[in-house]
Amino acid sequence: DGGITQSPKYLFRKEGQNVTLSCEQNLNHDAMYWYRQDPGQGLRLIYYSQIVNDFQKGDIAEGYSVSREKKESFPLTVTSAQKNPTAFYLCASSTNPGQGAMELFFGEGSRLTVL
Amino acid sequence: AQKITQTQPGMFVQEKEAVTLDCTYDTSDPSYGLFWYKQPSSGEMIFLIYQGSYDQQNATEGRYSLNFQKARKSANLVISASQLGDSAMYFCAMREGGWGGSNYKLTFGKGTLLTVNP
Repeated sequence: DGGITQSPKYLFRKEGQNVTLSCEQNLNHDAMYWYRQDPGQGLRLIYYSQIVNDFQKGDIAEGYSVSREKKESFPLTVTSAQKNPTAFYLCASSTNPGQGAMELFFGEGSRLTVL
Repeated sequence: AQKITQTQPGMFVQEKEAVTLDCTYDTSDPSYGLFWYKQPSSGEMIFLIYQGSYDQQNATEGRYSLNFQKARKSANLVISASQLGDSAMYFCAMREGGWGGSNYKLTFGKGTLLTVNP
């Protein structure tokens, strides 16, 4: 089935450690996104990528890094510079402009807890 | 300023009744798209319905309809005949630039937690 796979589902990290969250899609979408969700809050955009080998900062990119070496994959690294990394992280993909409403298709999320 | 406002942190509805979830938005762009997503306790975000700013008719998808009042900048979600499985968080979102626009950013509201009672 077509969709987005995020792993791991749960992740615990000690302060000062970098962690990488995986996101893979087989929807053949060019665009991919990372959002962060905190309790009682909506989703906030961290990074997005319009096409392979290109990505743009979202509203809260500080302390995060991404890469887009393959169309199917858009991993997110939460670095030790991120002051408050405990959150629920959602990866999404979409078609590009001109191809419709560009609704986002989401993965099941990764919950990161810093101990 | 908040671009998307959802004023109801929580809503309760009886099974089989209809419920309206409120959403107001703020934009000066004449072209934009409005989305509703459902987030069950499992965490995944599920796309429900889309309304373009130039669409003449209110969008409908099965039991979901969008009450679009452009002058009031309102895009309320109506769920008819509520089911127990409708219990979830519901998020309203907007993409400025609309259909075919070059803006990739989707801005979300803070959500409304809907509880359907048997």
